Amino acid sequence: DIQMTQSPSTLSASVGDRVTITCRASQSVSSWLAWYQQKPGRAPKLLIYKASSLESGVPSRFSGSGSGTEFTLTISSLQPDDFATYYCQQYNSYSTCSFGQGTKLDLK
Amino acid sequence: VQLVESGGGLVKPGGSLRLSCAASGFTFNKAWMIWVRQAPGKGLEWVGQSRSITDGGTIDYAAPVKGRFTISRDESKNTLYLQMDSLTTEDTAVYYCSTGPRGWGQGTLVTVSS
Repeated sequence: DIQMTQSPSTLSASVGDRVTITCRASQSVSSWLAWYQQKPGRAPKLLIYKASSLESGVPSRFSGSGSGTEFTLTISSLQPDDFATYYCQQYNSYSTCSFGQGTKLDLK
Repeated sequence: VQLVESGGGLVKPGGSLRLSCAASGFTFNKAWMIWVRQAPGKGLEWVGQSRSITDGGTIDYAAPVKGRFTISRDESKNTLYLQMDSLTTEDTAVYYCSTGPRGWGQGTLVTVSS
């Protein structure tokens, strides 16, 4: 099974900051990588799919990059609504899928 | 894409529950379907998946549920199921069905408690 290691587990930042979250796969997942934002009591919300494709309706301050085993999610200028927990997910119907352990982004 | 889970509730340890996921807005019989759960205050955990017949029709399970949970699908009803047996308190979670990153349900809560 492919293990996903996400870092950091907690990130404290201020409005306007640029932040980066990293996700590493134990083996190549090609570009089958998604990023989600989750707020308490809500289902995960898709931000990025196929490593770098921005989901429709998601603000352009969110971006994703990487391929193979190393991926990043960048928020270029944090807004108050962005304080939440973020997860990466590797997905491939020909393999099992798995999630990173999450990054809680909170206000410094 | 619309996915609607149902069937959650309170069950005693050792008991059983069957979750349903009604799908619409896409071709269900060609879709890869997965179950994901999230225990209170914890992260997202893959539970298992069902591949379409065209992709082999195979079903996989995560280690913690293998042998206790069974995934099935009814193509005539566009519905995915999760039969959960021998439940323990560790299975308490919100259970989501998904058809990939762009399709998630709202989740259904399963509470295992005496």
